Amino acid sequence: KQEVTQIPAALSVPEGENLVLNCSFTDSAIYNLQWFRQDPGKGLTSLLLIQSSQREQTSGRLNASLDKSSGRSTLYIAASQPGDSATYLCAVKVRETSGSRLTFGEGTQLTVNP
Amino acid sequence: NAGVTQTPKFRILKIGQSMTLQCTQDMNHNYMYWYRQDPGMGLKLIYYSVGAGITDKGEVPNGYNVSRSTTEDFPLRLELAAPSQTSVYFCASSYFRLNTGELFFGEGSRLTVL
Repeated sequence: KQEVTQIPAALSVPEGENLVLNCSFTDSAIYNLQWFRQDPGKGLTSLLLIQSSQREQTSGRLNASLDKSSGRSTLYIAASQPGDSATYLCAVKVRETSGSRLTFGEGTQLTVNP
Repeated sequence: NAGVTQTPKFRILKIGQSMTLQCTQDMNHNYMYWYRQDPGMGLKLIYYSVGAGITDKGEVPNGYNVSRSTTEDFPLRLELAAPSQTSVYFCASSYFRLNTGELFFGEGSRLTVL
């Protein structure tokens, strides 16, 4: 059974700092890995999707990397801003007998202080 | 540009009552999912569907039922509501083709069972 772990559970940084969020998974036979952002009381917004054949994806100040062999992904946020404060979740898509499904980590709650 | 729409956003139920959470998407996605999110926890998959007429159980299906009569709609039925079903419910959809498939989420439905 695929398990996804995110460390740390919570992170507080001053504005302008570069930071890294970690995601690890136990089964390397994944289709893809997706990073989401969730604001309090809201749904999840997709940030980056990395296919199993890719090593990284970039969008603006965000860069996500994938190392399937070691079961790890990182989300790098450059020059953090207070507006980046949210919970960040990673999820891996795995093959099932009748389809595919995502397994989520429990998230990292990020606070960026002005 | 509706995406994934869930109704209702909030609902309070008494123990033993039944209700249906509605979910519809306008992106012609073949895959649809129902997740629940409990405080401080990641998302747990309740049911998913790979296309009209096809549904399958996720990690936590007990106490729920689903149907998928059309591509657009994927309602979640709660029978005999219990306090353990107090949670935030998220519907999601994706277009799965080979190893692609970015996941899109609705805004969530917050359910309280008293």
